[in-house]
Amino acid sequence: AQSVSQHNHHVILSEAASLELGCNYSYGGTVNLFWYVQYPGQHLQLLLKYFSGDPLVKGIKGFEAEFIKSKFSFNLRKPSVQWSDTAEYFCAINAGNNRKLIWGLGTSLAVNP
Amino acid sequence: GAGVSQTPSNKVTEKGKYVELRCDPISGHTALYWYRQSLGQGPEFLIYFQGTGAADDSGLPNDRFFAVRPEGSVSTLKIQRTERGDSAVYLCASSRGGFGHEQFFGPGTRLTVL
Repeated sequence: AQSVSQHNHHVILSEAASLELGCNYSYGGTVNLFWYVQYPGQHLQLLLKYFSGDPLVKGIKGFEAEFIKSKFSFNLRKPSVQWSDTAEYFCAINAGNNRKLIWGLGTSLAVNP
Repeated sequence: GAGVSQTPSNKVTEKGKYVELRCDPISGHTALYWYRQSLGQGPEFLIYFQGTGAADDSGLPNDRFFAVRPEGSVSTLKIQRTERGDSAVYLCASSRGGFGHEQFFGPGTRLTVL
């Protein structure tokens, strides 16, 4: 069965620190990969996605992620976080021909000013 | 333009009661998804519609859960004989047809079963 694992459940950083959130998935075939963000009191919105091509994808608000197929990973990065990045971050995949998204448990990020 | 809307935003009911949750997708989106999210968890897939038909209902936990989308737009998720374990945030998303399009999410309905 397909699954998504996010390694960090709670992360606390100071402003200007660098961020890397881990995401690994289990599925042997073709996947599409997504990072969604949920800011406090708001609904889920897409940060970035990977379907094919350049494995380094850039998203909104300075976020990027790198797909490493050999490691089944899609880690999210940002070189310098801001207080406004405080949110819940979810990694998700479409696997094979399935339209449904399989989600990780999420990572709660708190950025201290 | 208008995003995905869900009503009600909050629903409190008693164990054993019937509830209906409504989702209005983005106009023109042919695909509609229902997920539910329990506290501290990621969303969990329930059902996916392409047009009026349920293309994948493998995530519905049991036969108390049912969803319809009779005209290919608005969808209703129906839960019979609610149980305390059904308490969660129920999320609706819509997307264009075709594989891999971004799913746009609504604000969710928080269901509490007392």
